[in-house]
Amino acid sequence: DAKTTQPNSMESNEEEPVHLPCNHSTISGTDYIHWYRQLPSQGPEYVIHGLTSNVNNRMASLAIAEDRKSSTLILHRATLRDAAVYYCILRDTNAGKSTFGDGTTLTVKP
Amino acid sequence: DTGVSQDPRHKITKRGQNVTFRCDPISEHNRLYWYRQTLGQGPEFLTYFQNEAQLEKSRLLSDRFSAERPKGSFSTLEIQRTEQGDSAMYLCASSLLQGIDSPLHFGNGTRLTVT
Repeated sequence: DAKTTQPNSMESNEEEPVHLPCNHSTISGTDYIHWYRQLPSQGPEYVIHGLTSNVNNRMASLAIAEDRKSSTLILHRATLRDAAVYYCILRDTNAGKSTFGDGTTLTVKP
Repeated sequence: DTGVSQDPRHKITKRGQNVTFRCDPISEHNRLYWYRQTLGQGPEFLTYFQNEAQLEKSRLLSDRFSAERPKGSFSTLEIQRTEQGDSAMYLCASSLLQGIDSPLHFGNGTRLTVT
Protein backbone atom coordinates (compact mmCIF):
# COMPACT_ATOMS: atom_id res chain seq x y z
CA ASP A 1 0.00 0.00 0.00
CA ALA A 2 1.01 3.57 -0.64
CA LYS A 3 3.26 5.28 1.86
CA THR A 4 3.44 8.82 3.20
CA THR A 5 6.43 10.94 4.23
CA GLN A 6 6.30 13.59 6.95
CA PRO A 7 8.90 15.68 8.79
CA ASN A 8 9.82 14.22 12.16
CA SER A 9 9.07 17.38 14.09
CA MET A 10 7.80 20.94 13.81
CA GLU A 11 7.45 23.86 16.18
CA SER A 12 4.89 26.61 16.33
CA ASN A 13 4.03 29.54 18.51
CA GLU A 14 0.68 29.65 20.23
CA GLU A 15 -2.08 31.41 18.27
CA GLU A 16 -0.11 31.27 15.02
CA PRO A 17 -1.06 29.13 12.00
CA VAL A 18 0.66 25.79 11.48
CA HIS A 19 1.16 24.04 8.16
CA LEU A 20 1.99 20.36 8.44
CA PRO A 21 3.17 18.83 5.14
CA CYS A 22 2.78 15.28 3.86
CA ASN A 23 4.16 13.70 0.70
CA HIS A 24 2.38 10.76 -0.91
CA SER A 25 3.86 10.51 -4.38
CA THR A 26 2.58 6.96 -5.00
CA ILE A 27 -1.05 7.76 -4.19
CA SER A 28 -3.61 5.94 -6.31
CA GLY A 29 -6.84 7.31 -7.68
CA THR A 30 -8.97 5.58 -5.05
CA ASP A 31 -6.92 6.68 -2.04
CA TYR A 32 -8.35 9.21 0.39
CA ILE A 33 -5.91 11.34 2.40
CA HIS A 34 -6.59 11.10 6.13
CA TRP A 35 -5.05 12.97 9.03
CA TYR A 36 -5.03 11.82 12.65
CA ARG A 37 -3.39 13.17 15.77
CA GLN A 38 -2.31 11.41 18.92
CA LEU A 39 -1.86 12.80 22.40
CA PRO A 40 0.29 10.94 24.95
CA SER A 41 -1.36 7.83 26.38
CA GLN A 42 -4.32 8.10 23.99
CA GLY A 43 -5.28 6.48 20.74
CA PRO A 44 -5.07 8.46 17.50
CA GLU A 45 -7.93 10.87 16.91
CA TYR A 46 -9.41 11.54 13.48
CA VAL A 47 -8.83 15.11 12.29
CA ILE A 48 -9.87 15.43 8.64
CA HIS A 49 -9.83 13.66 5.29
CA GLY A 50 -10.27 14.45 1.61
CA LEU A 51 -9.94 13.10 -1.90
CA THR A 52 -9.21 15.93 -4.34
CA SER A 53 -10.72 19.17 -3.11
CA ASN A 54 -9.62 21.19 -0.11
CA VAL A 55 -11.63 20.46 3.03
CA ASN A 56 -12.48 22.44 6.14
CA ASN A 57 -13.92 21.34 9.46
CA ARG A 58 -14.02 22.68 12.98
CA MET A 59 -10.60 21.26 13.79
CA ALA A 60 -8.51 22.06 10.72
CA SER A 61 -8.24 22.56 6.98
CA LEU A 62 -6.76 20.18 4.45
CA ALA A 63 -5.11 21.50 1.32
CA ILE A 64 -4.51 18.91 -1.40
CA ALA A 65 -2.13 19.54 -4.28
CA GLU A 66 -3.58 19.43 -7.75
CA ASP A 67 -1.59 16.28 -8.63
CA ARG A 68 -2.54 14.79 -5.20
CA LYS A 69 1.05 13.87 -4.49
CA SER A 70 1.18 16.05 -1.42
CA SER A 71 -1.12 17.62 1.12
CA THR A 72 -0.96 20.08 3.98
CA LEU A 73 -2.86 20.06 7.25
CA ILE A 74 -3.52 23.59 8.40
CA LEU A 75 -4.24 24.51 12.00
CA HIS A 76 -5.38 28.12 11.79
CA ARG A 77 -4.51 29.16 15.32
CA ALA A 78 -2.38 26.70 17.25
CA THR A 79 -3.14 26.19 20.92
CA LEU A 80 -1.18 24.31 23.54
CA ARG A 81 -3.77 21.54 23.24
CA ASP A 82 -2.74 21.02 19.61
CA ALA A 83 0.66 19.70 20.68
CA ALA A 84 0.57 16.09 19.49
CA VAL A 85 1.91 13.64 16.93
CA TYR A 86 0.16 14.14 13.59
CA TYR A 87 -0.17 11.26 11.15
CA CYS A 88 -1.01 11.47 7.46
CA ILE A 89 -2.21 8.16 5.97
CA LEU A 90 -3.88 6.93 2.80
CA ARG A 91 -7.08 4.92 2.85
CA ASP A 92 -8.62 3.39 -0.25
CA THR A 93 -12.36 3.21 -0.78
CA ASN A 94 -12.33 -0.43 0.27
CA ALA A 95 -11.21 0.86 3.69
CA GLY A 96 -8.91 -2.04 4.37
CA LYS A 97 -5.45 -1.94 5.85
CA SER A 98 -3.89 1.51 6.34
CA THR A 99 -0.18 2.06 6.98
CA PHE A 100 0.97 4.67 9.47
CA GLY A 101 4.39 6.26 9.36
CA ASP A 102 6.04 7.82 12.40
CA GLY A 103 4.20 11.12 12.00
CA THR A 104 5.19 14.69 12.84
CA THR A 105 5.59 15.72 16.46
CA LEU A 106 4.18 19.23 16.79
CA THR A 107 5.44 21.36 19.65
CA VAL A 108 3.48 24.52 20.46
CA LYS A 109 5.33 27.19 22.38
CA PRO A 110 3.43 29.64 24.58
CA ASP B 1 -21.71 7.29 19.94
CA THR B 2 -19.90 6.00 22.99
CA GLY B 3 -16.64 5.49 21.13
CA VAL B 4 -14.33 2.49 20.96
CA SER B 5 -13.54 0.99 24.34
CA GLN B 6 -10.67 -1.30 25.22
CA ASP B 7 -10.12 -3.40 28.29
CA PRO B 8 -7.92 -3.53 30.25
CA ARG B 9 -6.08 -0.21 29.95
CA HIS B 10 -2.93 -1.70 31.39
CA LYS B 11 -1.67 -5.26 31.71
CA ILE B 12 1.53 -6.45 33.34
CA THR B 13 2.40 -10.08 32.83
CA LYS B 14 5.35 -12.38 33.18
CA ARG B 15 7.10 -13.81 30.18
CA GLY B 16 5.49 -17.03 29.05
CA GLN B 17 1.99 -16.18 30.26
CA ASN B 18 -1.03 -15.78 27.98
CA VAL B 19 -2.95 -12.51 27.83
CA THR B 20 -6.24 -11.51 26.23
CA PHE B 21 -7.46 -8.04 25.37
CA ARG B 22 -10.97 -6.96 24.50
CA CYS B 23 -12.23 -4.28 22.13
CA ASP B 24 -15.79 -2.99 21.85
CA PRO B 25 -16.20 -0.99 18.63
CA ILE B 26 -18.76 1.69 17.85
CA SER B 27 -21.97 -0.28 17.55
CA GLU B 28 -22.82 0.27 13.88
CA HIS B 29 -19.24 -0.13 12.63
CA ASN B 30 -18.68 -3.33 10.69
CA ARG B 31 -14.91 -3.02 10.30
CA LEU B 32 -12.58 -3.58 13.25
CA TYR B 33 -8.80 -3.22 13.26
CA TRP B 34 -5.98 -4.10 15.62
CA TYR B 35 -2.74 -2.13 15.66
CA ARG B 36 0.36 -2.31 17.84
CA GLN B 37 2.43 0.73 18.78
CA THR B 38 5.81 0.93 20.45
CA LEU B 39 7.30 4.07 21.93
CA GLY B 40 8.17 6.71 19.35
CA GLN B 41 6.70 4.75 16.45
CA GLY B 42 3.45 5.01 14.55
CA PRO B 43 0.76 2.34 14.88
CA GLU B 44 1.65 -0.91 13.12
CA PHE B 45 -1.17 -2.86 11.46
CA LEU B 46 -1.86 -6.34 12.86
CA THR B 47 -5.20 -7.51 11.47
CA TYR B 48 -8.71 -6.44 10.57
CA PHE B 49 -12.22 -7.85 10.44
CA GLN B 50 -15.27 -7.17 8.36
CA ASN B 51 -18.14 -8.28 10.57
CA GLU B 52 -16.96 -11.65 11.91
CA ALA B 53 -14.59 -12.45 9.03
CA GLN B 54 -10.88 -11.82 9.49
CA LEU B 55 -9.87 -10.38 6.12
CA GLU B 56 -6.18 -9.66 6.52
CA LYS B 57 -3.43 -10.53 8.93
CA SER B 58 0.00 -8.93 8.98
CA ARG B 59 2.96 -11.12 8.10
CA LEU B 60 4.59 -9.69 11.19
CA LEU B 61 1.99 -11.39 13.36
CA SER B 62 3.42 -14.60 14.73
CA ASP B 63 1.41 -17.75 15.42
CA ARG B 64 1.30 -16.76 19.07
CA PHE B 65 -1.18 -14.03 18.21
CA SER B 66 -4.82 -14.76 17.49
CA ALA B 67 -7.80 -12.48 17.10
CA GLU B 68 -11.49 -13.21 16.97
CA ARG B 69 -14.66 -11.27 16.43
CA PRO B 70 -17.56 -13.59 17.18
CA LYS B 71 -20.94 -12.40 15.90
CA GLY B 72 -19.28 -9.36 14.39
CA SER B 73 -19.46 -7.33 17.57
CA PHE B 74 -16.63 -7.13 20.13
CA SER B 75 -13.20 -8.54 19.36
CA THR B 76 -10.49 -10.23 21.40
CA LEU B 77 -6.76 -10.35 20.79
CA GLU B 78 -4.87 -13.14 22.52
CA ILE B 79 -1.13 -13.44 22.84
CA GLN B 80 0.18 -16.82 23.93
CA ARG B 81 3.53 -17.41 25.61
CA THR B 82 4.28 -13.70 25.85
CA GLU B 83 7.80 -12.42 25.20
CA GLN B 84 9.42 -9.19 26.29
CA GLY B 85 9.27 -7.97 22.69
CA ASP B 86 5.48 -8.07 22.89
CA SER B 87 5.53 -5.09 25.26
CA ALA B 88 3.65 -2.35 23.44
CA MET B 89 0.40 -0.43 23.24
CA TYR B 90 -2.30 -2.47 21.49
CA LEU B 91 -4.81 -0.25 19.73
CA CYS B 92 -8.22 -1.15 18.39
CA ALA B 93 -10.09 0.91 15.81
CA SER B 94 -13.40 0.61 14.02
CA SER B 95 -14.95 2.10 10.90
CA LEU B 96 -17.85 1.78 8.51
CA LEU B 97 -17.33 -0.47 5.52
CA GLN B 98 -18.09 1.87 2.70
CA GLY B 99 -18.67 5.45 1.83
CA ILE B 100 -16.40 8.41 1.71
CA ASP B 101 -16.84 9.06 5.39
CA SER B 102 -14.95 6.09 6.73
CA PRO B 103 -12.38 7.40 9.17
CA LEU B 104 -10.83 5.16 11.77
CA HIS B 105 -12.09 5.61 15.32
CA PHE B 106 -9.49 4.44 17.82
CA GLY B 107 -9.79 3.36 21.40
CA ASN B 108 -7.22 4.45 23.97
CA GLY B 109 -5.42 1.16 23.82
CA THR B 110 -4.18 -1.54 26.17
CA ARG B 111 -0.63 -1.08 27.34
CA LEU B 112 1.09 -4.44 27.78
CA THR B 113 4.26 -4.83 29.82
CA VAL B 114 5.97 -8.21 29.77
CA THR B 115 8.48 -8.69 32.57
